Amino acid sequence: EADIYQTPRYLVIGTGKKITLECSQTMGHDKMYWYQQDPGMELHLIHYSYGVNSTEKGDLSSESTVSRIRTEHFPLTLESARPSHTSQYLCASSGKGGNEKLFFGSGTQLSVL
Amino acid sequence: KNQVEQSPQSLIILEGKNCTLQCNYTVSPFSNLRWYKQDTGRGPVSLTIMTFSENTKSNGRYTATLDADTKQSSLHITASQLSDSASYICVVGDRGSTLGRLYFGRGTQLTVWP
Repeated sequence: EADIYQTPRYLVIGTGKKITLECSQTMGHDKMYWYQQDPGMELHLIHYSYGVNSTEKGDLSSESTVSRIRTEHFPLTLESARPSHTSQYLCASSGKGGNEKLFFGSGTQLSVL
Repeated sequence: KNQVEQSPQSLIILEGKNCTLQCNYTVSPFSNLRWYKQDTGRGPVSLTIMTFSENTKSNGRYTATLDADTKQSSLHITASQLSDSASYICVVGDRGSTLGRLYFGRGTQLTVWP
């Protein structure tokens, strides 16, 4: 059973607002990821982290930023939300090996009006 | 270009029937192939992970096969249940980088009718 949690599950906000999507895991995983998924489309990696104080941008260009101050916590921040940011955001974590299982949170469905 | 293609895009079957979902990939160098189940509005859940040396792996009523020569995989679901209704995503990992990059398919949307 996955122990990775995302909040909020749903978020509706106005354009220009600053938001932070929370992600926490209790499995002690070093690797954490943020994916973006639109309906009927594949997941796209937007940020990842190998450990504390390590963050990298993924394949899909994103105006969001992330931080990794603690192993268990990997929040994603949008300084000024726009309607183009409307999407589902999925957080995931995995162990150290290359073939380790990826555990996903339940996601945050973001709608920017 | 590294790609993962899944077919069919959607599938409707009756409860109790079997079905097979297909995945073709061009990812190279190959490291592993994963199948995930994603319920609507939820995050994906891992079903199986196979490496180059494995050609079949089961998880309950789910059986995945891998042909690394033809770069094809299938997911067979036996005696389907209503709870099997979900999107099934094929994911292929490469070993060409330290990240262990994952390439996602768009999924097959399975609907099981009573």
